[in-house]
Amino acid sequence: DIQMTQSPSSLSASAGDRVTITCRASQNIDRYLNWYQQKPGKAPKLLIYASSSLQSGVPSRFSGSGSGTDFTLTISSLQPEDFATYYCQQSHKIPLTFGGGTKVEIK
Amino acid sequence: EVQLVESGGGLVQPGGSLRVSCAASGFIFSDRYMDWVRQAPGKGLEWVGRIRNKANTYITEYAASVTGRFTISRDDSKNSLYLQMNSLKTEDTAVYYCAGDKGGGYFDYWGQGTLVTVSS
Repeated sequence: DIQMTQSPSSLSASAGDRVTITCRASQNIDRYLNWYQQKPGKAPKLLIYASSSLQSGVPSRFSGSGSGTDFTLTISSLQPEDFATYYCQQSHKIPLTFGGGTKVEIK
Repeated sequence: EVQLVESGGGLVQPGGSLRVSCAASGFIFSDRYMDWVRQAPGKGLEWVGRIRNKANTYITEYAASVTGRFTISRDDSKNSLYLQMNSLKTEDTAVYYCAGDKGGGYFDYWGQGTLVTVSS
């Protein structure tokens, strides 16, 4: 199975900060990497698919990049509604696998 | 408006069985691959399995942790997805989400989840 490792597991930031979350795959997954946001008690929400494609309706402050094994999710200017947990997920091979999550908290 | 509504969760004893359902509306259900994703209390997301669409002969694929115990099925005439869970273990306790797969192995539609608790 492809292991997905996110870092950091948590971070504290202030509104307006630029935030970067990284995700590393245990093998080459080309650009088959997706990002989700989850708020407490809610279902995950797709933000980015295929490494850098912004899902419809998602604000442009979210962006993704990377290929192969190393990927990043960047929030250019953190907004109050962005405090949540973020997950990466690879869709290169079955079983589909998720990273362990990054919790973004208010500083 | 796209809606996925899960039902059928509850408390079941270890070794027991349970079937959860997902009712879809607001999109062409029959075109989609459909997946189940679970989340144990306080933990991360885990993919459970998927069923492809009719064009791809309804092929099912599962995570190793549930293979042989869980079965995914669908009824396109009812816009419904099902997860039959047998030989349940305490580690199967989780919120189970149904999710619409856009075709690239990523999920743009999600239900609200249904909690399955396996405990004696």
